[in-house]
Amino acid sequence: EVELLESGGGLVQPGGSLRLSCVVSGLPFTTYDMSWIRQAPGKGLEWVSISASNGPIFYADSVRGRFTISRDNFKSTLFLEMNGLRAEDTALYYCASKKGFGYALDYWGPGTLVTVSS
Amino acid sequence: DIQMTQSPSTLSASVGDRVTITCRASQYISVWLAWYEQKPGKAPNLLIYKASTLQTGVPSRFSGSGSGTEFTLTISGLQPDDSATYYCHQYKTEPWTFGQGTKVDFK
Repeated sequence: EVELLESGGGLVQPGGSLRLSCVVSGLPFTTYDMSWIRQAPGKGLEWVSISASNGPIFYADSVRGRFTISRDNFKSTLFLEMNGLRAEDTALYYCASKKGFGYALDYWGPGTLVTVSS
Repeated sequence: DIQMTQSPSTLSASVGDRVTITCRASQYISVWLAWYEQKPGKAPNLLIYKASTLQTGVPSRFSGSGSGTEFTLTISGLQPDDSATYYCHQYKTEPWTFGQGTKVDFK
């Protein structure tokens, strides 16, 4: 059974930092693209970043330069380092997997909540 | 960035109805379009990818069509369990983008 489980969310002051983790089991992590998507309270889905299995990394304009995605293939874990947090970064952060070219986001974790407030 | 516009924003229907949701891309995206269902308090669930390919385990009453810039999600025979918000998603070009969502509920 495939499972993705995020952690690391919490309450942080504006300008602060957090590191999110997503532990993956039940799929060949090294061959999957991995992505972060967020959802502000009561709002729609917003793509944040992707780490492709073959190396390329991309970010949404709203987080580029502040957020860093990385992965530990030995531990089947995806990370999102978030710096310079703003109130508008408040959201439920999901990690999701993508099997490869042509496929979409097939497995999702339950999410971890990030709240940026003073 | 590629903008994704869904219509309608909300939809009220009856059990057994045929329901259609439309998604329009601001640029050509070929068939790189997915549909997700999201229920309150839950993560999104992939229904359709590559515009018309049904994800494993998804009921056959769900179908997708379209290419280029115009896409549709059809639910043939709406069931009570289909009350949810549905999102389209283009993954042709980063930054990936989602539609604003279509909330489906019952009359």
